[in-house]
Amino acid sequence: DSGVTQTPKHLITATGQRVTLRCSPRSGDLSVYWYQQSLDQGLQFLIHYYNGEERAKGNILERFSAQQFPDLHSELNLSSLELGDSALYFCASSVDSGTLAYEQYFGPGTRLTVT
Amino acid sequence: QKEVEQDPGPLSVPEGAIVSLNCTYSNSAFQYFMWYRQYSRKGPELLMYTYSSGNKEDGRFTAQVDKSSKYISLFIRDSQPSDSATYLCASNYGQNFVFGPGTRLSVLP
Repeated sequence: DSGVTQTPKHLITATGQRVTLRCSPRSGDLSVYWYQQSLDQGLQFLIHYYNGEERAKGNILERFSAQQFPDLHSELNLSSLELGDSALYFCASSVDSGTLAYEQYFGPGTRLTVT
Repeated sequence: QKEVEQDPGPLSVPEGAIVSLNCTYSNSAFQYFMWYRQYSRKGPELLMYTYSSGNKEDGRFTAQVDKSSKYISLFIRDSQPSDSATYLCASNYGQNFVFGPGTRLSVLP
């Protein structure tokens, strides 16, 4: 168990809908990273937050947004969902955003199915 | 061309074999190099990380980086059936993290 929690485990929704995925980092970790993993694209970095502030954006679509709250949990919002958004979404956390940023601990993931 | 390339496998070896997993990368700005292990239906788990060219050893695992040829390797000695998983190499430039597609390894008893 990495200490990172994600809810829900599974989510099934229809095209056009909006969903929110939640992540709680390990105790003491200030950084949260979101990733999307699909069979054809592999693990893709989406976005990074550090202590409530956005630090880096990767391959994140404009339909997707995220935030990190004062208690350090984070939410990833996916809107106008398309079939191609079906994937595993992982959250990871690390102590900081500097030299220890590479030491990331991943949660169990949320499996999103868009029908 | 993807920034990190990795043979997807699958790679099957007998128990006790030495396993060599390899990645190549294209971005000279990459700083740290990581290896993650991912079991089926689980999140990736950090195995090792390294910054400079050379070798780093941790138990049965050795990570090797050659920055001149942009080549990353992970060696697993005395492989066990419990090592059966997908292995992902990764690197970063700044706060952007790039992962290889992963190599699926099966260690047969």
